[in-house]
Amino acid sequence: KNQVEQSPQSLIILEGKNCTLQCNYTVSPFSNLRWYKQDTGRGPVSLTIMTFSENTKSNGRYTATLDADTKQSSLHITASQLSDSASYICVVSLPHFGNEKLTFGTGTRLTIIP
Amino acid sequence: DSGVTQTPKHLITATGQRVTLRCSPRSGDLSVYWYQQSLDQGLQFLIQYYNGEERAKGNILERFSAQQFPDLHSELNLSSLELGDSALYFCASSEGSPGQPQHFGDGTRLSIL
Repeated sequence: KNQVEQSPQSLIILEGKNCTLQCNYTVSPFSNLRWYKQDTGRGPVSLTIMTFSENTKSNGRYTATLDADTKQSSLHITASQLSDSASYICVVSLPHFGNEKLTFGTGTRLTIIP
Repeated sequence: DSGVTQTPKHLITATGQRVTLRCSPRSGDLSVYWYQQSLDQGLQFLIQYYNGEERAKGNILERFSAQQFPDLHSELNLSSLELGDSALYFCASSEGSPGQPQHFGDGTRLSIL
């Protein structure tokens, strides 16, 4: 069982609509939780990084939330644009001998249609 | 543009061969990370270097090795290649402190025939 599970696996929405992507994790304790956006054929790009004490973090139209008690995070995208079509990856960072170890989810594939 | 450069972009080779992937980190970053992304799989951490020294090891096979040079660029060497090694290989760099974002290159797509 993957330690970081994302849902849905894929999502199609109309341009201009909002959507929310989910991330459930089992690993703990963790240092921080990250969301990345990966366009097809490109490397992932960091959207947000939240420590365990933060509940929410925004980056433009992207807002990430974190509930450390239920071990859930979500990424909300407001007023979607065609350029938001990408995979969104949830990543949990664990402390590891003064360093950190990242565990990646398999991502949610988001498609925005005009 | 992340500032991380990976070469080559594509590599096609045969089973049993050896290849070298190259990564130039973002200016000022001391840490380099290597990841493997197979079809429909999440990114798998392979290895991390910090200022020339190995700092952390993940699921890296014994057939794979890496190094970081004094100018901070890094190379990932893959030998005795198997069909299952076909994947996207990403390099990322960061300042090196925990909690800092990692900046990814656009990857090298390795195809084993």
